[in-house]
Amino acid sequence: GQNIDQPTEMTATEGAIVQINCTYQTSGFNGLFWYQQHAGEAPTFLSYNVLDGLEEKGRFSSFLSRSKGYSYLLLKELQMKDSASYLCAVQDSNYQLIWGAGTKLIIKP
Amino acid sequence: IAGITQAPTSQILAAGRRMTLRCTQDMRHNAMYWYRQDLGLGLRLIHYSNTAGTTGKGEVPDGYSVSRANTDDFPLTLASAVPSQTSVYFCASREGSGTYQETQYFGPGTRLLVL
Repeated sequence: GQNIDQPTEMTATEGAIVQINCTYQTSGFNGLFWYQQHAGEAPTFLSYNVLDGLEEKGRFSSFLSRSKGYSYLLLKELQMKDSASYLCAVQDSNYQLIWGAGTKLIIKP
Repeated sequence: IAGITQAPTSQILAAGRRMTLRCTQDMRHNAMYWYRQDLGLGLRLIHYSNTAGTTGKGEVPDGYSVSRANTDDFPLTLASAVPSQTSVYFCASREGSGTYQETQYFGPGTRLLVL
């Protein structure tokens, strides 16, 4: 079957670093996406990984290990505006995305 | 402004009524998708279309139908609404040029309450 697991909720402090993990078991794999979704809004693209390793984009980085079925999103220098849900999604061979339930990140001052 | 629009923004619907959610994109994307998002669950694919004139069923297609008469529009119809269809519905599109590193772009969503 297809399964993507993320923590339901995490709390972090403004200015700190937080790592959001995602593990997956899917029948096909053609890349892993991370999206950000603020409350009441649509998801927006953050990152895409298809090869093992770390992709860095400003304050956000995403890591992938295909052999372990594991990814994480690293957010540095947290700001209050980073309070949102972070969605992990695996792309299958038909270009369709299989979504995790999302991790709600709460940032405290 | 380029992007995806959805209508209505929100709707309260009596059970048994028919409803069409509209989705229009102006990016000339080939692929379009309809998802529903429920609390505690991930986005679930209802129907998709890889190109104008074709459609396919996703994970949760029962009770829903779609059409893709042209590139820009991808309406979703609930033939006879039931309370379990209360959800937030997102339309999304992707360029569909054949590469895997293509982002799906989302519309603002339609919040539907079926009573």
